[in-house]
Amino acid sequence: EVQLVESGGGLVQPGGSLRLSCAASGFTFSSYTMNWVRQAPGKGLEWVSHISRGSGTMYYADSVKGRFTIARDNAKNLLFLQMNSLRAEDTAVYYCARDDQYTFDQWGQGTLVTVSP
Amino acid sequence: QSALTQPASVSGSPGQSITISCTGTSSDVGSYNLVSWYQQHPGKAPELMIYEVSKRPSGVSNRFSGSKSGNTASLTISGLQAEDEADYYCCSYSHISSNWVFGGGTKLTVL
Repeated sequence: EVQLVESGGGLVQPGGSLRLSCAASGFTFSSYTMNWVRQAPGKGLEWVSHISRGSGTMYYADSVKGRFTIARDNAKNLLFLQMNSLRAEDTAVYYCARDDQYTFDQWGQGTLVTVSP
Repeated sequence: QSALTQPASVSGSPGQSITISCTGTSSDVGSYNLVSWYQQHPGKAPELMIYEVSKRPSGVSNRFSGSKSGNTASLTISGLQAEDEADYYCCSYSHISSNWVFGGGTKLTVL
């Protein structure tokens, strides 16, 4: 069974940093590209970032470019999102999502990030 | 990158059919057959319902179908059931900056 389990969310002050993790199991992690997608409270889904199988290519939404960094550890089946210079508008549930041919076919349960003084 | 345009809400009675539209541009929906649809129940993670415009993942009911014409994709749910009540999001890959764009979401109410 495919499982994606996010962790690392919490309350952080504006300007602060947080590192999210996503533990993958039930599939060959290194064979899939991966993404982060977020959802602000009461709002819709927003794609955040993408990383290729071998970490050679990363893409970011304009809203997080220069502040967030996506990474992965294929040996440990882990996906990361380093979030710096956090803003109130970054408050959201962050989901990791497996990417199969440009489709998010498996999602984690999400981890909540709250940016507030 | 602008979000794809979806109606905020749709409704239908059990057994009826509804269609949710998703309008983008020639840079996303119109360019590729890479439109997907996600169902999200309150407090839950999204679930893939349709991919590559009209394909259904294993386990998804054949009451769900997708199509596309030009820059507009559509999700049709036939034989509405109470458990279909949820939020639905469309998504498309966009070649501009190699990113993905979601629709704003449509709340489906089963009357």
